[in-house]
Amino acid sequence: GAGVSQSPSNKVTEKGKDVELRCDPISGHTALYWYRQSLGQGLEFLIYFQGNSAPDKSGLPSDRFSAERTGGSVSTLTIQRTQQEDSAVYLCASSVRQGLDTEAFFGQGTRLTVV
Amino acid sequence: AQSVTQPDIHITVSEGASLELRCNYSYGATPYLFWYVQSPGQGLQLLLKYFSGDTLVQGIKGFEAEFKRSQSSFNLRKPSVHWSDAAEYFCAVGTNDYKLSFGAGTTVTVRA
Repeated sequence: GAGVSQSPSNKVTEKGKDVELRCDPISGHTALYWYRQSLGQGLEFLIYFQGNSAPDKSGLPSDRFSAERTGGSVSTLTIQRTQQEDSAVYLCASSVRQGLDTEAFFGQGTRLTVV
Repeated sequence: AQSVTQPDIHITVSEGASLELRCNYSYGATPYLFWYVQSPGQGLQLLLKYFSGDTLVQGIKGFEAEFKRSQSSFNLRKPSVHWSDAAEYFCAVGTNDYKLSFGAGTTVTVRA
């Protein structure tokens, strides 16, 4: 596809279960970001991947959160033992390279609801 | 620490009227500033950005923003809004060469 694709678009899970959120960036984009958007709040940075460099995980809120990027393309954000406070929209973005002068293109997000 | 404040949670404007959305930032260095728009069910779309140079920046969809260092502001404006401008708008500051710090957003409602 032409844009950033995220799946699933919606996910309802029970508290304590693990979930995986997927992001397919734009082909050829080396930089990939995950953000979280909670109700009434702005976007919160979670993690950043750039090429083969070690990711910047400084935004992950707890050790229940992890992410990987395989082959420099698809990324998966995993939340273990989900809690109700994890309910949010998780947004993925990619850009052609590192640098704020390059536009980051956002996917439509995955809305996670923990019940 | 860097932060972005959008003082208005919700603004209602009549179609054809002008719109101004406020954004204040706190950042020690010269900021990279952005405005994004999020339409219902859509991802974020970049409207415009400021890095340096002319403090009045033109963006897509007829939007513009003005950087005022003395006021630590980067307000977004549009002279005449269209119903399609109803959306949520986010101001953001670049905190290094890849990370963005976002404000809480302003929801714009356009009435006929």
